[in-house]
This record gives sequence, C-alpha cells and structure tokens, in this order.
Amino acid sequence: GAVVSQHPSRVICKSGTSVKIECRSLDFQATTMFWYRQFPKQSLMLMATSNEGSKATYEQGVEKDKFLINHASLTLSTLTVTSAHPEDSSFYICSAIHLAYGYTFGSGTRLTVV
Amino acid sequence: AQTVTQSQPEMSVQEAETVTLSCTYDTSESDYYLFWYKQPPSRQMILVIRQEAYKQQNATENRFSVNFQKAAKSFSLKISDSQLGDAAMYFCAYRRDTSGSRLTFGEGTQLTVNP
Repeated sequence: GAVVSQHPSRVICKSGTSVKIECRSLDFQATTMFWYRQFPKQSLMLMATSNEGSKATYEQGVEKDKFLINHASLTLSTLTVTSAHPEDSSFYICSAIHLAYGYTFGSGTRLTVV
Repeated sequence: AQTVTQSQPEMSVQEAETVTLSCTYDTSESDYYLFWYKQPPSRQMILVIRQEAYKQQNATENRFSVNFQKAAKSFSLKISDSQLGDAAMYFCAYRRDTSGSRLTFGEGTQLTVNP
C-alpha cells in the first residue's frame, strides 16, 4: 500500500521560533499534498493544498506568511510554522494522493508552543 | 460549496451489536466520491469504506457497510458485530470527481464500544 511518513510526530518549540514539519510519500510520487490542522475532538480543517513545483493554494483565513509550504519534489512537502505562538499549538496532518490507493495520511505532528 | 454534516457528535454501542452513523452532504455535482474514515486514539486516519456516486450498489467492507441515498444526499455507515477496536472518531468525507480535488470532512462522530 501507499505510505506517507510525517516527521516529527511531536515537537515543542519556544514562542517566536520556527518549526518545520516534513511529509514524505515513501513509495510513490505525489504531485498534490494537503495540509490539515486539527483541534482536540474536532474535524480536520484544510489549511492548504501543496502542488509540486508551484505555489501552494491556501484556504481562506490561513496566513500564508505564517504557514510556509514548500513542495520541491514529488515525494516531499514541508510546512514551516514561522514565529510560532501558543495559539499555533495544534495537531497537523498531511495527506497525499496515490493513484491506486487514493488519499493517504501521515501520522500527524503534535505541535506545542511554549 | 460542498458541505458534510454529521449530526451525531457521540454514539455508543454494545460489543457485538450493530450501530449506524449518519452523514448528509450538500453538493450540486452529479459525480463525486464519499468516504468514511476512522481516527483511533493514535490519530492515524484510516480509510474504512468509499462509495462512488455513480454506483447504485452500496459499498461493503467486511463488517462495514453503507446506505447511500443519492437523492436524499445521505451516506450512513453501519458497523455490524461491533468490536472494542472499532472505538474511534469517525469522519464522513466528500470529494468531487476531479483529479487532485480536496476532501471535505464532516464534524465527526465519537464512537464508544461498551464491553
């Protein structure tokens, strides 16, 4: 099956610093990846759609300068939370589209900003 | 815009019993896909079942089956012979029949399985 690896699984950072989250498709190429944010006991909220070789498409209300997305290769998309603040603490999940298996999700990253 | 609604924030079922989770959606498209995902405490999203809108036959995967009512825009999930491992958050999701389109999720239903 298709595997999406997301790293790190947990990260704690100080307020004002930046943190990078990686999303890799391990055994397939993904031209499109998605980044979601999930608050406790809530649904997944799409933040942006990441397309290889082009700029990401951000959802309304998502600050593109704060949540930088780079999709430089067909197997890697990164989300960088810049100048993180406690309100950015959340669970972030990536997803990639596999031609045969459809949407495959990473295991998520729990970000805590202190 | 497409919307997905799950009107049951929480449901519970006795082990070995059957439970049905509800989902309705709104779309003006005629071709689309519907999904049920499971998110256990590990928070890994797991595909449970999917349905193509053009198929009249309801999808089935072992103990999981759906009741797809296209005219009513309803897509419920039935879990038979519930097991303790079925306890999780369940999300209904929709996507258009367009390459690379996004998934739109419902609010989720937290399922508890009682021994």
